[in-house]
Amino acid sequence: AQSVTQLDSQVPVFEEAPVELRCNYSSSVSVYLFWYVQYPNQGLQLLLKYLSGSTLVESINGFEAEFNKSQTSFHLRKPSVHISDTAEYFCAVSGGGSQGNLIFGKGTKLSVKP
Amino acid sequence: DGGITQSPKYLFRKEGQNVTLSCEQNLNHDAMYWYRQDPGQGLRLIYYSQIVNDFQKGDIAEGYSVSREKKESFPLTVTSAQKNPTAFYLCASSIAQGNQPQHFGDGTRLSIL
Repeated sequence: AQSVTQLDSQVPVFEEAPVELRCNYSSSVSVYLFWYVQYPNQGLQLLLKYLSGSTLVESINGFEAEFNKSQTSFHLRKPSVHISDTAEYFCAVSGGGSQGNLIFGKGTKLSVKP
Repeated sequence: DGGITQSPKYLFRKEGQNVTLSCEQNLNHDAMYWYRQDPGQGLRLIYYSQIVNDFQKGDIAEGYSVSREKKESFPLTVTSAQKNPTAFYLCASSIAQGNQPQHFGDGTRLSIL
């Protein structure tokens, strides 16, 4: 069975500091990996995804994530965060199984302080 | 602008009552999904539909029902059999089969009176 572990439930950082949100997965099959962001009282937005090819994927707002097959990780990083990055971030994995059956982590709340 | 509209934003249910959550999309997407979000639990799949007049159970379908009579609409009914319905419900869509959800609505928060 697939599972996703987000190691930190909350990550407080100061503005302009770097941040890493950790995500590890377990799966016996090839996987697709995703990061979603949820702003307060809103739905989720797809931030970035790894399907195949280059193991480093980037979003349009400066986040990046690297697929590491040997460590079964897909950590999300940003070199310098803004107040507007305050949100909850969800890692998800999909591989085989039913259509749409993304397995989500429990989320990491990123709080950026001035 | 294309997107997913969920209504209402907040919904209250009395004990023993069925309630229906609306989800409409104008993205021309074939696949639609319903997820339930509980605090500290991430999202769990309730039902999904790959095409009109077809839908499949997800991981936690008990106590819920859906219909897909139109491509644009995928309403979710929370029945009285769902003993713990208080949660945040998210509808999502993807362009076709084999694609993971790309667009989400803003959610409906359901509470029990």
